[in-house]
Order: sequence, then structure tokens, then C-alpha cells
Amino acid sequence: NAGVTQTPKFQVLKTGQSMTLQCAQDMNHEYMSWYRQDPGMGLRLIHYSVGAGITDQGEVPNGYNVSRSTTEDFPLRLLSAAPSQTSVYFCASRRGNEQFFGPGTRLTVL
Amino acid sequence: GNSVTQMEGPVTLSEEAFLTINCTYTATGYPSLFWYVQYPGEGLQLLLKATKADDKGSNKGFEATYRKETTSFHLEKGSVQVSDSAVYFCALSSGGSYIPTFGRGTSLIVHP
Repeated sequence: NAGVTQTPKFQVLKTGQSMTLQCAQDMNHEYMSWYRQDPGMGLRLIHYSVGAGITDQGEVPNGYNVSRSTTEDFPLRLLSAAPSQTSVYFCASRRGNEQFFGPGTRLTVL
Repeated sequence: GNSVTQMEGPVTLSEEAFLTINCTYTATGYPSLFWYVQYPGEGLQLLLKATKADDKGSNKGFEATYRKETTSFHLEKGSVQVSDSAVYFCALSSGGSYIPTFGRGTSLIVHP
């Protein structure tokens, strides 16, 4: 199993650009989520999904969209990037009450 | 609501020192408790867990005991190594909620 994979590992955007962060898992987990990690702030939940076709907002959803068309994939879209979205983004899936995290995407918005 | 409070870091130790990272929680019901570890440049990975009061989770020399009376789940290791340098997150999962609650993380730096 590859586990949870994320692409790209690094990305630099200009303010106003859009992009999609990819996340995939091969463990057939129903629950997936996106977090951002900022210094001193820990992990903050952006969006989550409890299964294909079902998504919901987390703590900090503004400026981000998600969709879940398959069990495997859970992409995160930045509609119009802002410097405040500079962060490290982690995708996770869940089995029971254990989370499995991807390696992260480090995003810089100039 | 649920919350997790961890001691602030960084915690700086010499190799072979004893480690304690404090974690306390508030939660409804009977949560499961976790410690996750994040090595530099990587995602979080589960280190250990405990699902009921008085359970002790252990892995890689780390231990934590679920203390319901003090609502605590402190992480300990008897002799740290340089390779233990990482950020440690305490977390809980309560009832049927899909959303776990994480602490803010504690950075551990171990010097040779």
C-alpha cells in the first residue's frame, strides 16, 4: 500500500492564482480530511469528507473548495490564492479512530 | 466542546535524558487518546494510543497512561535519542465524532 499520497510536495503561487492540491489513498478509507499547519497554531481542519459525494466544512474553510467523486481521491482547490494561505497542507484518511497522514504540500503564496 | 492542551516547547534535552511531555484534555463521554509524532519534513504518524481509563499505550520506548481522574495522557520516555527529535501531538477522538481534536504540538530537540 502507498498509503496517503500528496502532490505536489512544494508549490509557489502568485496572489490571485488558483491551483489544486492532490490527495489520494489506497486503503479504501471512507473518511478523509485536509489540514493546514502553521507555526504556533498546530493543525487546523479545513474540510472533511465521510464518503464519496459527501463533504463538510472544518474550522477554516474560507478560500478552499473540495469535492469527493471517488473513495480514493480528495482534492483541495484554492480559488484565488492569498499570502495568508502560505502554509503546509496535510491530507489524512481515517480507519476507526486512527488517522493516516500524507507527507504534506508546502505552499508559498507571494 | 473537546480540547487538548499540551505543554509549550521547545523541549531541549541531552541524549539519554528522561522525557515528559504533558497533555491534558477535556471531552464529553469517554474519548480515545493518542500521541502522534511528526519528524522533520514529514506528515504525522501514530506513535501510541489508549482507548480506556488506566490503559497504557507504548511504542518505540515511549509510554503514556490514560488517567481519567486527572484527565491527562502524559508522554514519557526513559532515555531519549537524537533520532527522537520531532514534534509530538496529543489528540483525542470522542464518541462518534469524525473530527479528532489535536493539541498544538510540542517540539522536542535532543542534543548529542
